[in-house]
Amino acid sequence: GAGVSQSPRYKVAKRGQDVALRCDPISGHVSLFWYQQALGQGPEFLTYFQNEAQLDKSGLPSDRFFAERPEGSVSTLKIQRTQQEDSAVYLCASSAPSGVGSYEQYFGPGTRLTVT
Amino acid sequence: AQKITQTQPGMFVQEKEAVTLDCTYDTSDPSYGLFWYKQPSSGEMIFLIYQGSYDQQNATEGRYSLNFQKARKSANLVISASQLGDSAMYFCEGRQLTFGSGTQLTVLP
Repeated sequence: GAGVSQSPRYKVAKRGQDVALRCDPISGHVSLFWYQQALGQGPEFLTYFQNEAQLDKSGLPSDRFFAERPEGSVSTLKIQRTQQEDSAVYLCASSAPSGVGSYEQYFGPGTRLTVT
Repeated sequence: AQKITQTQPGMFVQEKEAVTLDCTYDTSDPSYGLFWYKQPSSGEMIFLIYQGSYDQQNATEGRYSLNFQKARKSANLVISASQLGDSAMYFCEGRQLTFGSGTQLTVLP
């Protein structure tokens, strides 16, 4: 079946612009995760959804970052007033069961955001 | 919070040889698990293997196995019979969604 998809794959934004990154998880997957990955580093956790409920948003770096999953499937990560330090790859992952950390995650290809 | 440490930024191995990638963790939770993922240059993270703290035996999955030592809090990934396609970044992850900094593995022909 289809894996996790993300769009766009690449995004260039001017500093101060708002961006929206989309994630389509594997159909039926309950859990959805967003990560930020800087070049040469491991992914850093941003936020976690179980169905439509955002259960953990402790990793969001500022109030400029906002994520939603209104119908429990597709999710959008929005970054307002982008800054250069927001430049990174944003990874989305989904997992079939509920709960954190008990089962493997399936990752999308990521969206590479470059803020100029 | 759980902390994951990978101390090898880069590793080289000859094709067909075995290689061990290190991962240590720090947690006070008696129930935990460790995951290993591979990230090729294409960028997509691929799940390799999982070890639960209560698992009686070290996990194995094809050419991948875990050398799990609870007393030392280490969960090292062993790749046997390395192939050129194994060249990638490898990340260790803890149950609390914490990743290590990764190890870049290069397999030499």
